[in-house]
Parts: sequence; C-alpha cells; structure tokens
Amino acid sequence: GDSVTQMEGPVTLSEEAFLTINCTYTATGYPSLFWYVQYPGEGLQLLLKATKADDKGSNKGFEATYRKETTSFHLEKGSVQVSDSAVYFCALSDSQAGTALIFGKGTTLSVSS
Amino acid sequence: IAGITQAPTSQILAAGRRMTLRCTQDMRHNAMYWYRQDLGLGLRLIHYSNTAGTTGKGEVPDGYSVSRANTDDFPLTLASAVPSQTSVYFCASSVGTGGYEQYFGPGTRLTVT
Repeated sequence: GDSVTQMEGPVTLSEEAFLTINCTYTATGYPSLFWYVQYPGEGLQLLLKATKADDKGSNKGFEATYRKETTSFHLEKGSVQVSDSAVYFCALSDSQAGTALIFGKGTTLSVSS
Repeated sequence: IAGITQAPTSQILAAGRRMTLRCTQDMRHNAMYWYRQDLGLGLRLIHYSNTAGTTGKGEVPDGYSVSRANTDDFPLTLASAVPSQTSVYFCASSVGTGGYEQYFGPGTRLTVT
C-alpha cells in the first residue's frame, strides 16, 4: 500500500542554519504531496503542497519539490528561526486511493538561538 | 470563521466508560476524518466520511464508531474505553476526497485510566 517515510528526529539546529528534512513516498497512483507543521499544543497546519511532478511548494521560507523520479519531497529552508521549532509531517493523498492522507511519523525540529 | 472545533479539549476517562468526542466544521466541506496521534507512530486514520450520510473505516477503527448525520458534524464514539485508547484525537475536513489538503481541529487529549 501507499506509504510515507521521513527522516527520524529530533533535528537540532542553531538559528540561521540550513534545514533539510527528507521525505520519500510509495504510491500506486499519482499522489499529491504535503508538508504539515504542528506547533506545541496545537493541531496540524498545512505548510505547503505540490500536486504533480516537478511542482515546487513554498510558504514561509520553506520549500519542497515533487520529484517523481526519486519519489521524494524533501523539505528545505535556508535560514531557520527559533519560531520554526515544531514537528513536521510529510503526507500524501492519492487520488486513486481516495479518502484520507497518509502521514509519515513526523520529524521534531528544535532551533536554538 | 472558526474552521474546525473539537470538544472537549481534554478528558480523563475511566476504563469501560462511553465517551463521544465532538467535531464541527463551518467550511461546508464534504469529507471529514478522525485521526489519533501517538508518539512515534504519527497520525493514523480511525474513520472517515466522504460525504454526509456515509462513513468508512480507516487504519485503526476497532473500538470506535462514527456517524455523519449532516455536513457539519462528525462525532467519534468510544463505546467502552480501554487504556490503549489514550491518545490525542484530531478531527479534519477537506473539500473533497483525493488530492485535497485537509484542515485540522485543535485536538482532544484523552486519557483512559
């Protein structure tokens, strides 16, 4: 079945460092791909998305490119801030499979000043 | 616009008791979902509803039931709670199924003792 694998954390960075969180997927159809962020004590918020191969999603300085050839959707940010400390989830929605999102297990990011 | 509201925010429940978690959305979304979030396991789908009047089972449906009498409400019921149902429960909605982003509520933290 469809699945999402993301790098295990926690990821600990200093402010202004470069961030990469790896995400790869397995899907039988043509999925849409998402990154969600969960701040402490809150629900999940959509960070960015891409709906087809080579699309780049971007928001708040974060970006991720849908790479069909490597089945990847890695999240990057050039200069992280303390306020970016959160749990990040990669997810896919397969239009052929329908219904819900399939999530990775989440990566905790901790940024120190 | 509230988006998705969940109630209660948190609850401590004795094993064997019945409990209904409430979820209401005001976005007129067709599809709604219930997930549970457990440390190290990410989010797992419990039940979903593609449209009012229909429901379906997700990855971990045992011990839970749902109903979808109208577009806005999607309650989740634990008929007889067990300690393994201790978790954080998130309700979500989307415009439709397949490829659409989901919007999440703030969550209900449930502890079964």
